Amino acid sequence: DAKTTQPNSMESNEEEPVHLPCNHSTISGTDYIHWYRQLPSQGPEYVIHGLTSNVNNRMASLAIAEDRKSSTLILHRATLRDAAVYYCIPYYGGSQGNLIFGKGTKLSVKP
Amino acid sequence: EAQVTQNPRYLITVTGKKLTVTCSQNMNHEYMSWYRQDPGLGLRQIYYSMNVEVTDKGDVPEGYKVSRKEKRNFPLILESPSPNQTSLYFCASSPTRSGPPRTDTQYFGPGTRLTVL
Repeated sequence: DAKTTQPNSMESNEEEPVHLPCNHSTISGTDYIHWYRQLPSQGPEYVIHGLTSNVNNRMASLAIAEDRKSSTLILHRATLRDAAVYYCIPYYGGSQGNLIFGKGTKLSVKP
Repeated sequence: EAQVTQNPRYLITVTGKKLTVTCSQNMNHEYMSWYRQDPGLGLRQIYYSMNVEVTDKGDVPEGYKVSRKEKRNFPLILESPSPNQTSLYFCASSPTRSGPPRTDTQYFGPGTRLTVL
């Protein structure tokens, strides 16, 4: 499994953009990069995923480096509800289908 | 509303008293899974199921049992709970049991906080 490195914590102001980095230098060529987040007292929830090109959805954008050794999750305008632990997960799937959650980045959003 | 539900949400029990945590999904998903979350250890998979009557061990299966008699339900059974099974448990499901590469979104339940005294 690819090893990921994320900052332990980050802070943001409400309504400002947030860039959450992730290094995954050992990622295989077939691993997708998934991001999940876990709000306080809730189960993890899917945010976004991609393989090589940048991806956008209603929640966030995902910028993937050309060499795929790093990626950045972008929240365009942070809200208080975005305060959560964000997990970057290289994921191929396999028959077991288990997501390998690291420690993630705890994002705090200040009003 | 598409969701994964778990019951109970909170449970305090004593060592050795058998318990079952239920998990149900209403999305007709084939794949279901149980994780436990512990401080400093992250989420670890206990058991998973690719389809009805098909289950397999995850990374930390000792002390747990599961069954998958219906597509929507995937109960987690602790036959003889011990204090080291005190944890936060999450059930998850995803649409397909197809092989890799997997891009399926996994949907998680709200969690069950279990304390074994």
